[in-house]
Amino acid sequence: SSGLTQPPSVSVSPGQTATITCSGDKLGDKYACWYQQKPGRSPVLVIYQDDKRPSGIPERFSGSNSGNTATLTISGAQAVDEADYYCQAWDRSSEWVFGTGTKVTVL
Amino acid sequence: EVQLVESGGGLVQPGGSLRLSCAASGVTFSNYWMHWVRQAPGKGLVWVSRINSDGTGASYADSAKGRLTISRDNGKNMVYLQMSSLRAEDTAVYYCAIDLAVSPPRGLDYWGHGTLVTVSS
Repeated sequence: SSGLTQPPSVSVSPGQTATITCSGDKLGDKYACWYQQKPGRSPVLVIYQDDKRPSGIPERFSGSNSGNTATLTISGAQAVDEADYYCQAWDRSSEWVFGTGTKVTVL
Repeated sequence: EVQLVESGGGLVQPGGSLRLSCAASGVTFSNYWMHWVRQAPGKGLVWVSRINSDGTGASYADSAKGRLTISRDNGKNMVYLQMSSLRAEDTAVYYCAIDLAVSPPRGLDYWGHGTLVTVSS
């Protein structure tokens, strides 16, 4: 299955915008989602089907997916958003695959 | 509220076997696909396997093929992962998770707390 590449780390100042990318071959032709994982906790789905937010996820989280890149944007980042973030993509041929993960630091 | 509770993890010797279980509640279990995902200590998430709603179809990551078998019992709201020929690199927390959509999939909406599998002599 195809791998998905994310930057190892992203730093953002409180109130600013964090952008996390996820790159893979023809990723825009697949469905992408994003998870947030805090230390010692199970992952939480924050974006599904490229750009949809599950109930309870703040509006500051948004997503897009086109070409070879899916993007998670955190607008107005808060200290509570500090976590690891993973993209995941699905298509009928490769099933599910996770990205390499990005540690987001808010400082 | 949807709850997923894994069990069955523990210490096993290389080459050994283990069966993980996941009990689901708060959801019409038989409607949805179930997944197993693992995370080695300090590492990222790795998708392992999924099974469709009626248990007639499953798929596996390349690292799991031939050694891991997913199954489910809709009468008991349970999903299982039978693991054999275990290797040190199978050491990880194993999570079960549910996708509350069918077509197209939307992602893993709910996750259990995970169960730790340690493969060591």
